Amino acid sequence: GAGVSQSPSNKVTEKGKDVELRCDPISGHTALYWYRQRLGQGLEFLIYFQGNSAPDKSGLPSDRFSAERTGESVSTLTIQRTQQEDSAVYLCASSSRQGTTEAFFGQGTRLTVV
Amino acid sequence: AQSVAQPEDQVNVAEGNPLTVKCTYSVSGNPYLFWYVQYPNRGLQFLLKYITGDNLVKGSYGFEAEFNKSQTSFHLKKPSALVSDSALYFCAVRDIDDYKLSFGAGTTVTVRA
Repeated sequence: GAGVSQSPSNKVTEKGKDVELRCDPISGHTALYWYRQRLGQGLEFLIYFQGNSAPDKSGLPSDRFSAERTGESVSTLTIQRTQQEDSAVYLCASSSRQGTTEAFFGQGTRLTVV
Repeated sequence: AQSVAQPEDQVNVAEGNPLTVKCTYSVSGNPYLFWYVQYPNRGLQFLLKYITGDNLVKGSYGFEAEFNKSQTSFHLKKPSALVSDSALYFCAVRDIDDYKLSFGAGTTVTVRA
């Protein structure tokens, strides 16, 4: 596609429910990243993929968070039993196989847990 | 391990004055370095990058940055700031042998008319 696409753009969920956030990277991009940005704050690294494997999961805040990627394409970030502290904008980015290019970001999913 | 430090939470300058946003980094190998800008309620936009070669790199909107290996710094500069440059700026680093991309905490730039 023309850019990184994330869906939904906004999600309001009740505390305790599970949510799935989707990221469609730029076609052919090998690396895919997930970050969390709380209101007025910086980017908190969550996880990244090289192809379909995730070499570094150290940023996932708890075992309620998981992510997968299939076909070196779409990635899904799942948050189970959501808590109010999970409310944030979740950003996805991708970069090319060569690795010298910058990462391109999607517009994010704004998650609100009520 | 890799990390990025942006020592200033906020930078305030008058329009027309030079703007500098500081960034220092730590990587185990050689770095790829990036600057991004985020306008209110907008996604992150790429400004410029250092991969190799000339230490002074030029990017979008008149911004430039200088890579200094001995000081492990990559400060962002603009000779003459505009009110429209007011935004949140992020520095990021990757080790050339790894895909992991780490960001600094961000610096809010306010340019007053």
